[in-house]
Amino acid sequence: EDQVTQSPEALRLQEGESSSLNCSYTVSGLRGLFWYRQDPGKGPEFLFTLYSAGEEKEKERLKATLTKKESFLHITAPKPEDSATYLCAVQAGSGNTGKLIFGQGTTLQVKP
Amino acid sequence: DAGITQSPRHKVTETGTPVTLRCHQTENHRYMYWYRQDPGHGLRLIHYSYGVKDTDKGEVSDGYSVSRSKTEDFLLTLESATSSQTSVYFCATNTGVGAGYTFGSGTRLTVV
Repeated sequence: EDQVTQSPEALRLQEGESSSLNCSYTVSGLRGLFWYRQDPGKGPEFLFTLYSAGEEKEKERLKATLTKKESFLHITAPKPEDSATYLCAVQAGSGNTGKLIFGQGTTLQVKP
Repeated sequence: DAGITQSPRHKVTETGTPVTLRCHQTENHRYMYWYRQDPGHGLRLIHYSYGVKDTDKGEVSDGYSVSRSKTEDFLLTLESATSSQTSVYFCATNTGVGAGYTFGSGTRLTVV
């Protein structure tokens, strides 16, 4: 069964304190791994797509990396406005449905 | 949330009543999805559509039905609402395999 697990569930950082969020996955035939940011009361917002092991993507203070078993979202020198829930999702299998399987998310709080 | 509108944004309904949530997109995306988001469970797929009148079940489809008579509209119906269906419902679209989702802003449904 395809599965996505995110850790930690919650993370508190001081402003400027770099850290990483983990997304472990077990799937049959990875077709893409996606990172989203979700603010309270809003829908998830797309951040990155990674397709193959070794791939990296960056956006401002965020960098996503991918191995054959997990993905990391590295946050460098975070600011309070980076506080949000970060969701990881995978698209897998041989079908053409485009379905995503989501992890439960990591809630990040960055204190000034 | 550009191009995807969910309605209503908030709804309170009584147990046993039917409820219909609407998702409208202007992206002309082929694929549309309904998810529910609950604490401790993350986003779980209810139903999805891969074209007009083409729909299929997700992992938590019991008690829900969907219809898609036009590319731009995807309706989710709770046939007889129960308290366990109190949740935040998100609609999403994408262009297919390898593409990420675009999400709507969500509908917060409370069944009393």
